Amino acid sequence: DIQMTQSPSFLSASVGDRVTINCKASQNINRYLNWYQQKLGEAPKLLIYNANSLQTGIPSRFSGSGSGTDFTLTISSLQPEDVATYFCLQHNSWPWTFGGGTKLELK
Amino acid sequence: EVQLQESGPGLVKPSQSLSLTCSVTGYSITSNYWGWIRKFPGNKMEWMGYISYSGSTSYNPSLKSRISITRDTSKNQFFLQLNSVTTEDTATYYCARVPREWGQGVMVTVSS
Repeated sequence: DIQMTQSPSFLSASVGDRVTINCKASQNINRYLNWYQQKLGEAPKLLIYNANSLQTGIPSRFSGSGSGTDFTLTISSLQPEDVATYFCLQHNSWPWTFGGGTKLELK
Repeated sequence: EVQLQESGPGLVKPSQSLSLTCSVTGYSITSNYWGWIRKFPGNKMEWMGYISYSGSTSYNPSLKSRISITRDTSKNQFFLQLNSVTTEDTATYYCARVPREWGQGVMVTVSS
């Protein structure tokens, strides 16, 4: 199975900060990487698919980059409603596998 | 708007079978792919398997022969069955339209 190493596990930032979360794959996954946001008690929400494509309805402050083994989710200007857990999913090779998650809190 | 809702017992005894239903509204399960995912205590996540628009399935090898995903197109529902459960199957179970919409999840505890 492809291992996805996500960092950091926990992140504290202030409103307006630029925030980056990383996922590293144990082997090449091309651009088959999605990013999700999960708020407490809610269903996970797809933010970014195929590494850098913004899902419809997601604010443009969210962006994704990377290919191969290294990927980044960026929030350009953190908003209070962005407090959540974020996780990546590789869908290049079956079984699809997840990163360990990043819990984002406000400082 | 596509909505998914998981349902099923919240408590299952060891060695028994876990059975969950995903009810889908706003989209036909005869299109796209539909999956089951679980999140363990401690937040590790596992994609368990999926069923396609045609009814074909793919399962995570880690689950070997314990898993079955089926569907009822007349009710627009798909199902998860996991056999011979142990306490390690305690998790929150989600259904999803691959890769977009997910349900809110249902917590299942395996305990005697």
